[in-house]
Amino acid sequence: GQQVMQIPQYQHVQEGEDFTTYCNSSTTLSNIQWYKQRPGGHPVFLIQLVKSGEVKKQKRLTFQFGEAKKNSSLHITATQTTDVGTYFCAGEANFNKFYFGSGTKLNVKP
Amino acid sequence: EAGVAQSPRYKIIEKRQSVAFWCNPISGHATLYWYQQILGQGPKLLIQFQNNGVVDDSQLPKDRFSAERLKGVDSTLKIQPAKLEDSAVYLCASSLGAGLAGTGLYNEQFFGPGTRLTVL
Repeated sequence: GQQVMQIPQYQHVQEGEDFTTYCNSSTTLSNIQWYKQRPGGHPVFLIQLVKSGEVKKQKRLTFQFGEAKKNSSLHITATQTTDVGTYFCAGEANFNKFYFGSGTKLNVKP
Repeated sequence: EAGVAQSPRYKIIEKRQSVAFWCNPISGHATLYWYQQILGQGPKLLIQFQNNGVVDDSQLPKDRFSAERLKGVDSTLKIQPAKLEDSAVYLCASSLGAGLAGTGLYNEQFFGPGTRLTVL
């Protein structure tokens, strides 16, 4: 069945360091979405990538979608304490069916 | 614009009891999702509705879980009888739905605050 794997499970960084989380799908995706969930909160949409090889930036966040549309990454430059939370990728395989990764929990030490 | 509403926010029950959760999606959103999120894990899709029809319920434990979306708007998720392993946060999400290709619109999911269920 469809699976979306995400690594690493946890990442502890010093404020100012960079952070990257990776997402891999067992099958080709029509698009991939990224969400952020703050502790005690609910997932909040960050971005959607649709095209093969697409790269999008949001301030310090850079999102990439692989050429084969099976993998994706989220890179945060110079982390801040406000970046703390769990980052999930969600791959859409077909007709609105989303498969969430297990998430990467980011902790930023001030 | 009002967000996705869920109630109750918290529920504590004993195993073998029944429980029901309610969700009111964003107005105009055709697709509604119910997810189960166990602590430390990603959301797991239980059931997906497109208007009032079920699109996917392959991961719904149908011997104890049921869900409906009356008139394609509000939805309820029921567990009967509950087991200890059902302890989790139940998230409802909604999205505009299919047919957005080429429109420039994202098919993003808007999540409600969730219902934290504890089964003792």
